[in-house]
Amino acid sequence: EMLMTQSPATLSVSPGERATLSCRASQSIGSNLAWYQQKPGQAPRLLIYGASTRATGIPARFSGGGSGTEFTLTISSLQSEDFAVYYCQHYNNWPYTFGQGTKLEIK
Amino acid sequence: QVQLVQSGAEVKKPGASVKVSCKASGYTFSGYYIQWVRQAPGQGLEWMGWIKADTGKTNYAQKFQGRVTMTRDTSTSTASMELSSLTYDDTAVYYCARDVLPGGDSGVFDYWGQGTVVTVSS
Repeated sequence: EMLMTQSPATLSVSPGERATLSCRASQSIGSNLAWYQQKPGQAPRLLIYGASTRATGIPARFSGGGSGTEFTLTISSLQSEDFAVYYCQHYNNWPYTFGQGTKLEIK
Repeated sequence: QVQLVQSGAEVKKPGASVKVSCKASGYTFSGYYIQWVRQAPGQGLEWMGWIKADTGKTNYAQKFQGRVTMTRDTSTSTASMELSSLTYDDTAVYYCARDVLPGGDSGVFDYWGQGTVVTVSS
């Protein structure tokens, strides 16, 4: 089973600044990686798939990068609504697995 | 607009079974896979498996093999997930989600239900 490791566990950033979240896969997954945002009491929301393709309606300040085993999610100029938990997920093979999440909090 | 509306919260005793439903609207139900994901309290997300809405073909994560059954009713555009032999570790929010790929299992989930809280308690 693929192990997805996210870092850091918590990231404190001020509004307007840039945030970079990391995700590492235990084996190469090509570009078969998605990012989701989850706010308290809500279902996850798809942000990025194919490592770098924004989902429909996702603002351009969200960008994804990487391939193989190392991936990043960058949020440029953080808005108040961006503070949430972010999960990466691989879909290279079964079972699909998620990282443990990075909590993005207001500094 | 695409919507997935799940059934309400459940409280079950250890050893019992629970069935969660997921009613789809705003798209052709039979044209997409429905995936199921759960989230234990304060924990991350765990993929459980999928059902192909047109044929009813299923694929379950090995962890849940033998305990989970996913079904669908195309006449009501509803998918269901039943989990048996519940233990305290099954306490979680259960989500259905639509796969983004028409007719395929891409493993990317674009629309999610609101979640169903299942509590296992004696």
